[in-house]
Amino acid sequence: TQLLEQSPQFLSIQEGENLTVYCNSSSVFSSLQWYRQEPGEGPVLLVTVVTGGEVKKLKRLTFQFGDARKDSSLHITAAQPGDTGLYLCAGDVAGTYKYIFGTGTRLKVLA
Amino acid sequence: DAGITQSPRHKVTETGTPVTLRCHQTENHRYMYWYRQDPGHGLRLIHYSYGVKDTDKGEVSDGYSVSRSKTEDFLLTLESATSSQTSVYFCAISDDGGLTGSPTDTQYFGPGTRLTVL
Repeated sequence: TQLLEQSPQFLSIQEGENLTVYCNSSSVFSSLQWYRQEPGEGPVLLVTVVTGGEVKKLKRLTFQFGDARKDSSLHITAAQPGDTGLYLCAGDVAGTYKYIFGTGTRLKVLA
Repeated sequence: DAGITQSPRHKVTETGTPVTLRCHQTENHRYMYWYRQDPGHGLRLIHYSYGVKDTDKGEVSDGYSVSRSKTEDFLLTLESATSSQTSVYFCAISDDGGLTGSPTDTQYFGPGTRLTVL
């Protein structure tokens, strides 16, 4: 069974601080996605990484896919209250049309 | 925003009653998914569909059935609801990736249905 583990589960930081969220698995994924979810809403895709070692930037967010395509990280620089939310990683299950999701990291950025 | 609606948005029901949740899309996407979201578990796949009348099970399919009689609608049925099925249910859609026929990596999610089984 493929699993995606995220750490930390909860993170509360002050505005302006930096943080990193990790998504790890023992399985190889052909692609991995990061989503952000606001309370009462469905997840919204932030980025997809597909190549081992790939780095993508989205404003203050930097996403990296591990060389072996088993793990990924999300780094936020100078966090802002608007970054508050639940961050989820997801990977495709090889040979199927299915995706598995990590357990999520709940981030709270205090003003 | 992708055109996905879920109905109802909130429902309270009693143990043993049947419940049907509806997902409707206006995007003509081939793939549709039902997930449940519970604290500490993230999103878990219940069932998914890769075309009209084509469905398959996900990791937590016990106690649930689905039907897709037309492209735009994907129904999730709890034949006899139990308290363990209290959860927030999300529908998602994904487009066909083209030549391969596989879904693209982008899933668009609906607003969710909060179901409480007493």
